[in-house]
Amino acid sequence: EDQVTQSPEALRLQEGESSSLNCSYTVSGLRGLFWYRQDPGKGPEFLFTLYSAGEEKEKERLKATLTKKESFLHITAPKPEDSATYLCARHNDYKLSFGAGTTVTVRA
Amino acid sequence: GAVVSQHPSWVICKSGTSVKIECRSLDFQATTMFWYRQFPKQSLMLMATSNEGSKATYEQGVEKDKFLINHASLTLSTLTVTSAHPEDSSFYICSARRTSGNTYEQYFGPGTRLTVT
Repeated sequence: EDQVTQSPEALRLQEGESSSLNCSYTVSGLRGLFWYRQDPGKGPEFLFTLYSAGEEKEKERLKATLTKKESFLHITAPKPEDSATYLCARHNDYKLSFGAGTTVTVRA
Repeated sequence: GAVVSQHPSWVICKSGTSVKIECRSLDFQATTMFWYRQFPKQSLMLMATSNEGSKATYEQGVEKDKFLINHASLTLSTLTVTSAHPEDSSFYICSARRTSGNTYEQYFGPGTRLTVT
């Protein structure tokens, strides 16, 4: 069974305080590891797909990395507009399995 | 990124009636679309996979006769909630798959808030 575990459940940051979110996943059959951002009452917004260990991708203040068992989403010098729930999902052959998400709140 | 739209964005219906939700991929063709359901403060739960020109594949525990899915074209999938009841009230989100070579991307619509009274 596909397992995706995200930690922490919630993260409160001061503006400018960098931090990382963790996503651990079932390794077997992994075809890709996805990161999404979701704002309240909206659909998830695609951020990154990572395919192999050692791969890194960046977008503005966000950087996603992938190891053999985990993925990290690093938020550098966050701003209040980075407040959202960040979802991690693993892709097997035909579907995405989502973690519960990490809700990030950035205070000015 | 690619654009996926949903209509309506919210709907209120009476118990026992049916509601149809449309999902469109606006700037790419999607042979595969997905329908998810999300309860407050919970993550997305896949309901079914919709394949253009063929029957949808439903996840375990999802009633196929209650949640009718049609994927008649490469840019449109519809979800019809039949004989809706208050427990069907939820946030329904569609998603469309885009593949290019070995890369795989999945884009989500903005969601439809269904309230059954």
